Amino acid sequence: QKEVEQNSGPLSVPEGAIASLNCTYSDRVSQSFFWYRQYSGKSPELIMSIYSNGDKEDGRFTAQLNKASQYVSLLIRDSQPSDSATYLCAVKYTGGFKTIFGAGTRLFVKA
Amino acid sequence: KAGVTQTPRYLIKTRGQQVTLSCSPISGHRSVSWYQQTPGQGLQFLFEYFSETQRNKGNFPGRFSGRQFSNSRSEMNVSTLELGDSALYLCASSWGTGLNTEAFFGQGTRLTVV
Repeated sequence: QKEVEQNSGPLSVPEGAIASLNCTYSDRVSQSFFWYRQYSGKSPELIMSIYSNGDKEDGRFTAQLNKASQYVSLLIRDSQPSDSATYLCAVKYTGGFKTIFGAGTRLFVKA
Repeated sequence: KAGVTQTPRYLIKTRGQQVTLSCSPISGHRSVSWYQQTPGQGLQFLFEYFSETQRNKGNFPGRFSGRQFSNSRSEMNVSTLELGDSALYLCASSWGTGLNTEAFFGQGTRLTVV
């Protein structure tokens, strides 16, 4: 059973701090990784994708992938109250290319 | 460029009825995936279509079915509705089915079964 695990939170950080969101997955043949943000009552919005080991930066967001340890993380620098949302980790597997989502981590950024 | 469009946005149905939901992907996108989202189960994969063919299917009963048309628009159907089918149904489109293709979600259809 392929699984994607996230701490459900809530994770609370003060405004301006770095928020660190983590995700672990169970299958070593996973190849593609995605982070989505979902505001309450809205649909998921793609933030970033990462396919190879290392860091990928996009504005205030940095995705980190470590395939040997089977984890992917998302760092949000200079967190803003508008970043308060649920962050979903998604893993796309070979062998059918099915995408599995984690349950999401709720982030609260306190002003 | 228009995003993914799902209709209707809200739906209330009675147990035992059937329902059809529609999804129009981003122009040029040929892959459509459907997900069910509930507070307890999170985002659960239903099925994926590419070029009118079902490529993947999740672990849902046969009451859940779908199809894709030649213009890439997709529909999903749920027959004999149960109370537990109440959920947000999300459609995501991507240009292809490869590992590195990104998927973009529509606004969803909120289905309530009473």
